[in-house]
Amino acid sequence: DGGITQSPKYLFRKEGQNVTLSCEQNLNHDAMYWYRQDPGQGLRLIYYSQIVNDFQKGDIAEGYSVSREKKESFPLTVTSAQKNPTAFYLCASSSRVEAFFGQGTRLTVV
Amino acid sequence: AQSVTQPDIHITVSEGASLELRCNYSYGATPYLFWYVQSPGQGLQLLLKYFSGDTLVQGIKGFEAEFKRSQSSFNLRKPSVHWSDAAEYFCAVGSGGYQKVTFGTGTKLQVIP
Repeated sequence: DGGITQSPKYLFRKEGQNVTLSCEQNLNHDAMYWYRQDPGQGLRLIYYSQIVNDFQKGDIAEGYSVSREKKESFPLTVTSAQKNPTAFYLCASSSRVEAFFGQGTRLTVV
Repeated sequence: AQSVTQPDIHITVSEGASLELRCNYSYGATPYLFWYVQSPGQGLQLLLKYFSGDTLVQGIKGFEAEFKRSQSSFNLRKPSVHWSDAAEYFCAVGSGGYQKVTFGTGTKLQVIP
């Protein structure tokens, strides 16, 4: 089945650590996105990529990094510079007319 | 800059009653508009989208939305709500070809028997 797979579903991070969230798609989409979701704030765009080896900052990129070495994969690293990383993270990929979302990763700082 | 306002944070309706969720957008040109639904702890599912043409758009699960340019609105409607419709609903506006999409803050729908 075609779709987007995010892993892990739950992730715990100690303060000062970097962690990487995985996002893989087999929909052959060029564009991929990372969003952060906090209660009452909707979805905010962290980074997006429209083609392999290219990506752009979204509205809240500080403290995050991404790579796009393969069309299918768009991992997100939450660095120690992100002061408040506890949130629900959603990955998406899109054709020109429709986006598909993964099931999300809930990151908690312990 | 594009923006979306969903003025209702939380709505409660009785099962079988009609539903309207409000969405107002700000965008300079003709917008691409979307409604998504999210169940707790899950990803988002597209309900419907508007790019051009007929301003009344039909979606999945019996939902529809109407684009009103004069009011900058894209309200979501359903004539008869089912208990399984309880979820959070997000309106979104894009600049075309899904280049960058801005989401509203969401409306949480509760359905009571």
